[in-house]
Amino acid sequence: AQSVTQLGSHVSVSEGALVLLRCNYSSSVPPYLFWYVQYPNQGLQLLLKYTSAATLVKGINGFEAEFKKSETSFHLTKPSAHMSDAAEYFCAVNTDTGRRALTFGSGTRLQVQP
Amino acid sequence: GAVVSQHPSWVICKSGTSVKIECRSLDFQATTMFWYRQFPKQSLMLMATSNEGSKATYEQGVEKDKFLINHASLTLSTLTVTSAHPEDSSFYICSTHRGGAEAFFGQGTRLTVV
Repeated sequence: AQSVTQLGSHVSVSEGALVLLRCNYSSSVPPYLFWYVQYPNQGLQLLLKYTSAATLVKGINGFEAEFKKSETSFHLTKPSAHMSDAAEYFCAVNTDTGRRALTFGSGTRLQVQP
Repeated sequence: GAVVSQHPSWVICKSGTSVKIECRSLDFQATTMFWYRQFPKQSLMLMATSNEGSKATYEQGVEKDKFLINHASLTLSTLTVTSAHPEDSSFYICSTHRGGAEAFFGQGTRLTVV
């Protein structure tokens, strides 16, 4: 079984401030972890992914995430928020079971204040 | 460029009618397609898994007679919402994999039943 918990349904930061979106996972086997971003009425765009290589993963738009097995976490960060970062962010987990359907967290809405 | 093309992006239909949503894989063969539903301000919930040439697998609580899934070719999967009701109004998204754990998503379909 696999699950994802995203702490904080809403996060608000000022433009230029650090962005930290939290994600904890539960998996009985080594996981693949993803962060996706969703803009209103659009599909999901992959920000970054962890697939058992480097634990610090760099993605698009300046985002990065660190896989910490001891903490079962995969938090998403960005040093300096931009107005265009305002969106819904989803953490997702997958396991190499062959079924490959992602399990999503509940999502975190990021607001960026000017 | 886009890996998965989903149409229509939005549709309004009358209660009791049926709506078909198409999801096409571009430039590759998708043997498996996942269909998700997303209610406002909520996460994505897996509805069903369609496999080319065989019956779809539905998640618990999803009515297979209401949400008809057809995966007749390696590049096309369709979801038909039959006898739609206002409570079926939602955002429907398809996704597939291209040989790895990463999922590629369609643009989503906003269904409004009036």
